[in-house]
Amino acid sequence: GENVEQHPSTLSVQEGDSAVIKCTYSDSASNYFPWYKQELGKGPQLIIDIRSNVGEKKDQRIAVTLNKTAKHFSLHITETQPEDSAVYFCAAEVLEYGNKLVFGAGTILRVKS
Amino acid sequence: DTGVSQDPRHKITKRGQNVTFRCDPISEHNRLYWYRQTLGQGPEFLTYFQNEAQLEKSRLLSDRFSAERPKGSFSTLEIQRTEQGDSAMYLCASSLVGPLQFFGPGTRLTVL
Repeated sequence: GENVEQHPSTLSVQEGDSAVIKCTYSDSASNYFPWYKQELGKGPQLIIDIRSNVGEKKDQRIAVTLNKTAKHFSLHITETQPEDSAVYFCAAEVLEYGNKLVFGAGTILRVKS
Repeated sequence: DTGVSQDPRHKITKRGQNVTFRCDPISEHNRLYWYRQTLGQGPEFLTYFQNEAQLEKSRLLSDRFSAERPKGSFSTLEIQRTEQGDSAMYLCASSLVGPLQFFGPGTRLTVL
């Protein structure tokens, strides 16, 4: 089945710097890759997603890139702010009933002001 | 608020007791998912409903777990004879079509 690995597990950056989180997946049939942000005590919130027919997608300070050949995708956050501090999860769609998601283990991002 | 809601937000129970959680999906979303999240890990898929039909269950869902979605609206997840290993955050998500899923705030279960 699908396996998603995420790195790094923790990331500390200075406010204003960029942050990059990387994920790899195993099932070449996967076509959808969302990123979620989870704050303490809350459920995951979708922040950006990408489909396999697109190599890059950007939304203000957040961008995601996808390399289907290498089976990896990355989240890029520019001009980080303290409110970006949270746990970030990547996920890959599994093409079975219901398009369930398989998640990475998460990255704790700390933005120091 | 038109997002996914879950109740209760926190549940503390003693080992061996039964617990039931409720999820109300976004209105008109016909797909509903349950995930479990343990500390330091990403959510893990438990089960999935298309309208009222439960179409897939993970191997993580032992016989002590049961989920229902009567009339294709809200869903309940029941755990019988709880064990300490059941302590986790139980997340519900819903979607209209395709893989785009919106999550609720979760129910934090602590089994003493």
